[in-house]
Amino acid sequence: EIVLTQSPGTLSLSPGERATLSCRASQSVSSNYLAWYQHKPGQAPRLLIYGASSRAAGIPDRFSGSGSGTDFTLTISRLEPEDSAVYYCQRYGGAPFTFGQGTKLEIK
Amino acid sequence: QVHLVESGGGVVQPGRSLRLSCEASGFTFSSYGIHWFRQAPGKGLEWVAVIFYDGSKKYYVDSVEGRFTISRDNSKNMVSLQMNSLRAEDTALYYCARFNSLSAFDIWGQGTRVTVSS
Repeated sequence: EIVLTQSPGTLSLSPGERATLSCRASQSVSSNYLAWYQHKPGQAPRLLIYGASSRAAGIPDRFSGSGSGTDFTLTISRLEPEDSAVYYCQRYGGAPFTFGQGTKLEIK
Repeated sequence: QVHLVESGGGVVQPGRSLRLSCEASGFTFSSYGIHWFRQAPGKGLEWVAVIFYDGSKKYYVDSVEGRFTISRDNSKNMVSLQMNSLRAEDTALYYCARFNSLSAFDIWGQGTRVTVSS
């Protein structure tokens, strides 16, 4: 089973700054079947990025994904207060569809 | 509009059963696999089960294998999760989500809460 490890656990930044979130896989993620989700309390998770670097429909271009193999990055530029959330990476190439443990992003 | 709505959550004693439902609208339901996920209090997201678009294949996370059963009725745009022999560690907010082979899990419901407690 592929294990996804996200870092840092918590990130505290100011509006307008850039956030860089990391997701490292214990084995290569096939065909870059790697997605990123934003999850706010009381809301459904929201798909941000799929295929490691493709933005989902309606997602602002402030959100970008990169990486391949075992190392992936979610970058959020020009942070806004509403970006406060927990961000998860997930592999979706087959069962089990595991998530990383999440990175909590706080906007000061 | 594309929607998934979960229902059936509640408070149940350990060892008892509960059946969750996920009703879809706004898309061709029979073309998509549907998954269940959960989030235990203070924890991250966990994948629970999947049923393929035609019901031909089903997979489960190890911790629920043999206790949970996923099924679907494409005529009713509905997926169900039958949960038997519930344990305290099954306490969570349960979400269903649509799997889009082009773009991962693109539609999620708002979740239904399950509490297993005596």
